[in-house]
Amino acid sequence: EIVLTQSPATLSLSPGERATLSCRASQSVSSYLAWYQQKPGQAPRLLIYEASNRATGIPARFSGSGSGTDFTLTISSLEPEDFAVYYCQQRTNWPLTFGGGTKVEIK
Amino acid sequence: QVQLAESGGAVVQPGGSLRLSCAASGFMFDSYGMHWVRQAPGKGLEWVAFIRYDGTNRYYAESVKGRFTVSRDNSKNTLYLQMNSLRAEDTAVYYCGKDGGSGFDYWGQGTPVSVSS
Repeated sequence: EIVLTQSPATLSLSPGERATLSCRASQSVSSYLAWYQQKPGQAPRLLIYEASNRATGIPARFSGSGSGTDFTLTISSLEPEDFAVYYCQQRTNWPLTFGGGTKVEIK
Repeated sequence: QVQLAESGGAVVQPGGSLRLSCAASGFMFDSYGMHWVRQAPGKGLEWVAFIRYDGTNRYYAESVKGRFTVSRDNSKNTLYLQMNSLRAEDTAVYYCGKDGGSGFDYWGQGTPVSVSS
């Protein structure tokens, strides 16, 4: 099973600041990595697929990068609605796995 | 627009059974694989099961293998999850998700399952 480790667990930032979230895989997942955003009481939402492609309707301030085992989700300038939990997920091998999540909270 | 609506969640005793449903609309259900994902209270996301668009391939997380069965009825645009031998650790909100080819591009709002005596 591919283990995805996300860091940091919590990121405390102010609106307008840049957020950098990391996801590291225990073995290569090529570019088959996605990022999701989840707000309290809501279902997750797909942000990024295949490491760097924004899903439909996702603002340009969200960007993804990386390949192999190291991936980054960047939010260039945090908006109030961006404070949430973010998960990475791989689809290279079964079972599909998610990272443990990074909570982006208001400082 | 794409809609996924889970139902069937309930409180059940350990060792009991439950069947969840996910009604799909707004897309060609019989052309897409579908997943179940769960989230225990205060925890992260855990992938549970997948079924191919035509039902010919199914995959499960180790934690549910042999106890849960995913199925679908393409004539009814409905996905199912039969859960047997339920344990306390199966307590979670269960989401169905559409496989867009590169990620879960649509999710339902979830149905809660509580396993407790």
